Amino acid sequence: AQKITQTQPGMFVQEKEAVTLDCTYDTSDQSYGLFWYKQPSSGEMIFLIYQGSYDEQNATEGRYSLNFQKARKSANLVISASQLGDSAMYFCAMREGFGTGTSLTVIP
Amino acid sequence: DTGVSQNPRHKITKRGQNVTFRCDPISEHNRLYWYRQTLGQGPEFLTYFQNEAQLEKSRLLSDRFSAERPKGSFSTLEIQRTEQGDSAMYLCASSPSFSLTQETQYFGPGTRLLVL
Repeated sequence: AQKITQTQPGMFVQEKEAVTLDCTYDTSDQSYGLFWYKQPSSGEMIFLIYQGSYDEQNATEGRYSLNFQKARKSANLVISASQLGDSAMYFCAMREGFGTGTSLTVIP
Repeated sequence: DTGVSQNPRHKITKRGQNVTFRCDPISEHNRLYWYRQTLGQGPEFLTYFQNEAQLEKSRLLSDRFSAERPKGSFSTLEIQRTEQGDSAMYLCASSPSFSLTQETQYFGPGTRLLVL
């Protein structure tokens, strides 16, 4: 079974600053994928970034990057140059489920 | 718009009634997933299909829940004898990949169910 843990219920960040959202996981699978999704207050779930367990480099998508540390079983999301529109819930996920999410608030 | 669509967007029903939700995935996506999300929580996996085959069901999916995906296109999720605890957002997602690892899921807008 795969399990995701997000230990930060809420985070605040100043506009234009970088922020790291934590995610740890547990799985017995040798090959697996990790995802991050954004869910604004409007409710839609938006895919942000994907990391494969055998990918040699950390994934990046625009202002989003994934700090993947396989030995520590962590897959933290880094958002650079935060914008007001980044305020939302952020979920770390694997194929079998999602974490409980982190609520990010960007302060002007 | 070629994204995942779900209907209805909102449903209010009385306890004990049956409800059915529909999900139309992105065209040619072979995998389709159903999740349930309650306020303040992450989505909880319910079930998923590869084409028309239902490959996995969560223990959350009691015998009052049934899902189908005839012909491997749209899917329906039916809840029989609804209970107040069924009140939640029901999310559908689809994925194009045959890979078990790289399964980027594209979500629909959800159906919000309220059981009175």
